[in-house]
Amino acid sequence: DQQVKQNSPSLSVQEGRISILNCDYTNSMFDYFLWYKKYPAEGPTFLISISSIKDKNEDGRFTVFLNKSAKHLSLHIVPSQPGDSAVYFCAASEYSGNTPLVFGKGTRLSVIA
Amino acid sequence: GEEVAQTPKHLVRGEGQKAKLYCAPIKGHSYVFWYQQVLKNEFKFLISFQNENVFDETGMPKERFSAKCLPNSPCSLEIQATKLEDSAVYFCASSRNAGGQGTEAFFGQGTRLTVV
Repeated sequence: DQQVKQNSPSLSVQEGRISILNCDYTNSMFDYFLWYKKYPAEGPTFLISISSIKDKNEDGRFTVFLNKSAKHLSLHIVPSQPGDSAVYFCAASEYSGNTPLVFGKGTRLSVIA
Repeated sequence: GEEVAQTPKHLVRGEGQKAKLYCAPIKGHSYVFWYQQVLKNEFKFLISFQNENVFDETGMPKERFSAKCLPNSPCSLEIQATKLEDSAVYFCASSRNAGGQGTEAFFGQGTRLTVV
Protein backbone atom coordinates (compact mmCIF):
# COMPACT_ATOMS: atom_id res chain seq x y z
CA ASP A 1 0.00 0.00 0.00
CA GLN A 2 1.77 3.10 -1.26
CA GLN A 3 1.49 6.06 1.06
CA VAL A 4 3.26 8.42 -1.33
CA LYS A 5 2.41 8.20 -5.01
CA GLN A 6 4.01 9.75 -8.03
CA ASN A 7 1.75 8.65 -10.83
CA SER A 8 3.83 9.92 -13.73
CA PRO A 9 6.93 7.78 -14.23
CA SER A 10 8.35 10.25 -16.74
CA LEU A 11 7.95 13.77 -18.05
CA SER A 12 9.54 15.61 -21.00
CA VAL A 13 9.71 19.38 -21.10
CA GLN A 14 11.26 21.89 -23.47
CA GLU A 15 14.13 23.97 -22.12
CA GLY A 16 12.87 27.28 -20.76
CA ARG A 17 9.35 26.00 -20.10
CA ILE A 18 7.80 25.04 -16.78
CA SER A 19 8.16 21.52 -15.36
CA ILE A 20 5.41 20.38 -13.00
CA LEU A 21 5.95 17.20 -11.02
CA ASN A 22 3.07 15.85 -8.97
CA CYS A 23 2.83 13.82 -5.81
CA ASP A 24 -0.13 12.48 -3.82
CA TYR A 25 -0.17 11.02 -0.35
CA THR A 26 -2.68 9.01 1.61
CA ASN A 27 -1.49 9.24 5.21
CA SER A 28 -3.15 12.25 6.87
CA MET A 29 -0.49 12.16 9.60
CA PHE A 30 2.15 13.38 7.14
CA ASP A 31 2.88 17.03 7.70
CA TYR A 32 6.34 17.58 6.28
CA PHE A 33 7.17 17.03 2.64
CA LEU A 34 10.42 17.01 0.73
CA TRP A 35 11.60 16.74 -2.85
CA TYR A 36 14.81 15.00 -3.79
CA LYS A 37 16.64 14.95 -7.10
CA LYS A 38 18.68 11.96 -8.18
CA TYR A 39 21.22 11.59 -10.95
CA PRO A 40 22.31 8.11 -12.11
CA ALA A 41 24.87 6.40 -9.87
CA GLU A 42 24.48 9.07 -7.20
CA GLY A 43 22.50 9.33 -4.01
CA PRO A 44 19.40 11.52 -3.87
CA THR A 45 20.04 15.20 -3.17
CA PHE A 46 17.68 17.25 -1.06
CA LEU A 47 16.01 19.98 -3.10
CA ILE A 48 13.22 21.72 -1.21
CA SER A 49 10.77 21.05 1.60
CA ILE A 50 7.45 22.34 2.91
CA SER A 51 5.62 21.92 6.17
CA SER A 52 1.87 21.63 6.38
CA ILE A 53 1.50 25.08 7.93
CA LYS A 54 2.39 26.55 4.53
CA ASP A 55 0.91 26.07 1.09
CA LYS A 56 3.90 27.31 -0.88
CA ASN A 57 7.66 27.40 -0.53
CA GLU A 58 9.97 28.93 -3.07
CA ASP A 59 13.71 28.59 -3.63
CA GLY A 60 15.03 30.14 -6.81
CA ARG A 61 13.63 28.28 -9.79
CA PHE A 62 11.97 25.68 -7.57
CA THR A 63 8.56 26.12 -5.93
CA VAL A 64 6.65 23.50 -4.02
CA PHE A 65 2.89 23.82 -3.58
CA LEU A 66 0.91 21.90 -0.99
CA ASN A 67 -2.85 21.28 -1.09
CA LYS A 68 -3.61 19.57 2.21
CA SER A 69 -7.30 19.00 1.56
CA ALA A 70 -6.46 17.15 -1.65
CA LYS A 71 -3.37 15.50 -0.11
CA HIS A 72 -1.44 16.68 -3.10
CA LEU A 73 1.81 18.50 -3.65
CA SER A 74 3.63 19.61 -6.73
CA LEU A 75 7.09 20.82 -7.64
CA HIS A 76 7.38 23.56 -10.24
CA ILE A 77 10.67 24.24 -11.97
CA VAL A 78 10.79 27.38 -14.05
CA PRO A 79 12.55 27.93 -16.31
CA SER A 80 13.57 24.31 -16.87
CA GLN A 81 17.18 23.70 -17.82
CA PRO A 82 18.87 20.61 -19.35
CA GLY A 83 20.78 20.13 -16.08
CA ASP A 84 17.45 19.56 -14.33
CA SER A 85 17.11 16.24 -16.15
CA ALA A 86 17.06 13.67 -13.33
CA VAL A 87 14.69 11.51 -11.33
CA TYR A 88 12.69 13.48 -8.77
CA PHE A 89 11.42 11.80 -5.62
CA CYS A 90 8.71 13.12 -3.39
CA ALA A 91 9.03 12.17 0.30
CA ALA A 92 6.82 12.68 3.34
CA SER A 93 7.22 12.46 7.06
CA GLU A 94 5.58 13.40 10.32
CA TYR A 95 6.86 16.55 12.00
CA SER A 96 6.89 14.66 15.27
CA GLY A 97 9.51 12.34 13.85
CA ASN A 98 7.48 9.23 14.54
CA THR A 99 7.94 7.91 11.04
CA PRO A 100 10.95 7.90 8.75
CA LEU A 101 10.80 9.52 5.34
CA VAL A 102 8.45 7.65 2.99
CA PHE A 103 9.34 7.99 -0.68
CA GLY A 104 7.36 7.87 -3.88
CA LYS A 105 8.62 5.89 -6.87
CA GLY A 106 10.00 8.94 -8.61
CA THR A 107 9.39 10.81 -11.86
CA ARG A 108 12.10 10.95 -14.50
CA LEU A 109 12.28 14.48 -15.91
CA SER A 110 13.91 15.07 -19.28
CA VAL A 111 14.51 18.66 -20.28
CA ILE A 112 15.05 18.92 -24.00
CA ALA A 113 17.24 21.68 -25.39
CA GLY B 1 32.70 14.75 7.58
CA GLU B 2 30.67 17.01 5.33
CA GLU B 3 29.04 14.21 3.41
CA VAL B 4 27.68 10.76 4.05
CA ALA B 5 30.34 8.26 3.07
CA GLN B 6 29.31 4.76 2.06
CA THR B 7 31.68 1.90 1.39
CA PRO B 8 32.14 -0.10 -0.66
CA LYS B 9 30.58 1.35 -3.82
CA HIS B 10 30.06 -2.08 -5.30
CA LEU B 11 29.86 -5.48 -3.65
CA VAL B 12 29.41 -8.85 -5.31
CA ARG B 13 28.52 -11.86 -3.24
CA GLY B 14 27.67 -15.45 -4.05
CA GLU B 15 24.30 -16.63 -2.81
CA GLY B 16 24.64 -17.66 0.83
CA GLN B 17 27.63 -15.43 1.53
CA LYS B 18 27.67 -12.58 4.02
CA ALA B 19 27.60 -8.94 2.94
CA LYS B 20 28.60 -6.00 5.11
CA LEU B 21 28.03 -2.39 4.15
CA TYR B 22 29.38 0.68 5.91
CA CYS B 23 28.18 4.23 6.37
CA ALA B 24 29.81 7.24 8.01
CA PRO B 25 27.16 9.91 8.66
CA ILE B 26 27.72 13.64 8.51
CA LYS B 27 29.36 14.93 11.67
CA GLY B 28 26.79 16.34 14.05
CA HIS B 29 23.90 14.36 12.60
CA SER B 30 22.16 12.25 15.23
CA TYR B 31 20.01 10.13 12.94
CA VAL B 32 21.08 7.49 10.45
CA PHE B 33 18.75 5.75 8.02
CA TRP B 34 19.18 2.77 5.74
CA TYR B 35 17.09 2.42 2.60
CA GLN B 36 17.00 -0.31 -0.03
CA GLN B 37 16.31 0.56 -3.66
CA VAL B 38 15.54 -2.40 -5.91
CA LEU B 39 15.56 -1.99 -9.69
CA LYS B 40 15.38 1.84 -9.54
CA ASN B 41 12.08 1.48 -7.70
CA GLU B 42 11.00 3.40 -4.64
CA PHE B 43 13.18 3.54 -1.59
CA LYS B 44 12.24 0.95 0.98
CA PHE B 45 12.99 2.02 4.53
CA LEU B 46 14.93 -0.58 6.52
CA ILE B 47 16.08 0.86 9.84
CA SER B 48 17.03 4.10 11.56
CA PHE B 49 19.27 4.96 14.48
CA GLN B 50 19.38 7.81 16.92
CA ASN B 51 23.07 7.88 17.70
CA GLU B 52 23.86 4.25 18.61
CA ASN B 53 20.29 3.31 19.51
CA VAL B 54 17.82 1.73 17.14
CA PHE B 55 15.11 4.33 16.51
CA ASP B 56 12.84 2.49 14.11
CA GLU B 57 13.39 -0.99 12.70
CA THR B 58 9.96 -1.63 11.25
CA GLY B 59 11.37 -2.11 7.75
CA MET B 60 14.07 -4.60 8.66
CA PRO B 61 13.58 -8.16 7.50
CA LYS B 62 13.51 -10.22 10.67
CA GLU B 63 15.95 -12.79 9.42
CA ARG B 64 19.41 -12.31 7.96
CA PHE B 65 19.53 -8.48 8.23
CA SER B 66 21.18 -6.68 11.12
CA ALA B 67 22.58 -3.20 11.63
CA LYS B 68 24.66 -1.31 14.16
CA CYS B 69 25.83 2.22 14.85
CA LEU B 70 28.58 2.11 17.46
CA PRO B 71 30.35 5.17 18.90
CA ASN B 72 33.44 6.28 16.95
CA SER B 73 32.81 3.71 14.21
CA PRO B 74 30.99 3.78 10.88
CA CYS B 75 27.47 2.38 10.98
CA SER B 76 27.06 -1.00 9.35
CA LEU B 77 24.38 -3.06 7.68
CA GLU B 78 25.01 -6.79 7.51
CA ILE B 79 23.20 -9.41 5.51
CA GLN B 80 23.85 -13.00 6.49
CA ALA B 81 23.35 -15.70 3.86
CA THR B 82 22.52 -13.34 1.00
CA LYS B 83 19.79 -14.24 -1.47
CA LEU B 84 19.33 -13.17 -5.08
CA GLU B 85 16.49 -10.84 -4.09
CA ASP B 86 18.85 -8.89 -1.82
CA SER B 87 20.47 -7.45 -4.96
CA ALA B 88 19.80 -3.71 -4.72
CA VAL B 89 21.40 -0.38 -4.06
CA TYR B 90 21.55 0.29 -0.34
CA PHE B 91 21.49 3.95 0.60
CA CYS B 92 22.49 5.39 3.92
CA ALA B 93 21.30 8.84 4.96
CA SER B 94 21.80 11.04 7.99
CA SER B 95 19.90 13.99 9.42
CA ARG B 96 20.06 16.36 12.37
CA ASN B 97 16.53 15.66 13.53
CA ALA B 98 13.92 12.97 13.16
CA GLY B 99 10.98 15.22 12.38
CA GLY B 100 10.25 18.60 10.87
CA GLN B 101 12.98 21.02 9.92
CA GLY B 102 16.27 19.23 10.04
CA THR B 103 14.61 16.07 8.80
CA GLU B 104 16.23 16.75 5.44
CA ALA B 105 18.17 13.55 5.20
CA PHE B 106 21.42 13.71 3.27
CA PHE B 107 22.21 10.59 1.33
CA GLY B 108 25.40 8.78 0.53
CA GLN B 109 26.20 7.53 -2.94
CA GLY B 110 24.92 4.07 -2.15
CA THR B 111 26.40 0.58 -2.19
CA ARG B 112 25.34 -1.59 -5.10
CA LEU B 113 25.05 -5.16 -3.88
CA THR B 114 24.87 -7.86 -6.52
CA VAL B 115 24.16 -11.39 -5.38
CA VAL B 116 25.04 -14.02 -7.95
